[in-house]
Amino acid sequence: GAVVSQHPSWVICKSGTSVKIECRSLDFQATTMFWYRQFPKQSLMLMATSNEGSKATYEQGVEKDKFLINHASLTLSTLTVTSAHPEDSSFYICSAWATGGQETQYFGPGTRLLVL
Amino acid sequence: SQQGEEDPQALSIQEGENATMNCSYKTSINNLQWYRQNSGRGLVHLILIRSNEREKHSGRLRVTLDTSKKSSSLLITASRAADTASYFCAQGTSGSRLTFGEGTQLTVNP
Repeated sequence: GAVVSQHPSWVICKSGTSVKIECRSLDFQATTMFWYRQFPKQSLMLMATSNEGSKATYEQGVEKDKFLINHASLTLSTLTVTSAHPEDSSFYICSAWATGGQETQYFGPGTRLLVL
Repeated sequence: SQQGEEDPQALSIQEGENATMNCSYKTSINNLQWYRQNSGRGLVHLILIRSNEREKHSGRLRVTLDTSKKSSSLLITASRAADTASYFCAQGTSGSRLTFGEGTQLTVNP
């Protein structure tokens, strides 16, 4: 089946630093990727839709200058948490939508971010 | 909030028993999907049911969809300890967006 990877799987950083998370579709091309955020014991909340070659679409309440998204190729999207603060600590999960009109999104394994 | 609701929030059963989880949603859908998440891990797609379907099976999984009630259910038959996980429904709407329900934490005791 289709595989989506994320790197790093976990990261600890100091408050005020920026953290970049990569999401790659390994065996298929994805014109659209999604970034979700999940707090402990809660559901996934969509943060933004990443479109290859164009600007990301952010959900209401998500700061685009805080969470920078770049989708430079059909297999890679990056999420950069800028000037991270402890409240940004969370589990970030990406998913990829395979080109060709399939209905299933394939999810990455997630990245756990801890901001000290 | 556009999130759907799932009940129960937590379910604890014995191995071999059946587990039923319910999901309600608020908006029109193209499809409804069920995912599984082991603690601290990513999501695994279980099954997708389209808006014009009423029931779907996959192995020990059975999903129903009632669009008039805006609800779906996931039944896991003959549960195993390895089925312990969180289960989420997700509403698929136009533009490939998924809106996740709040999830059900299933614990299957050996």
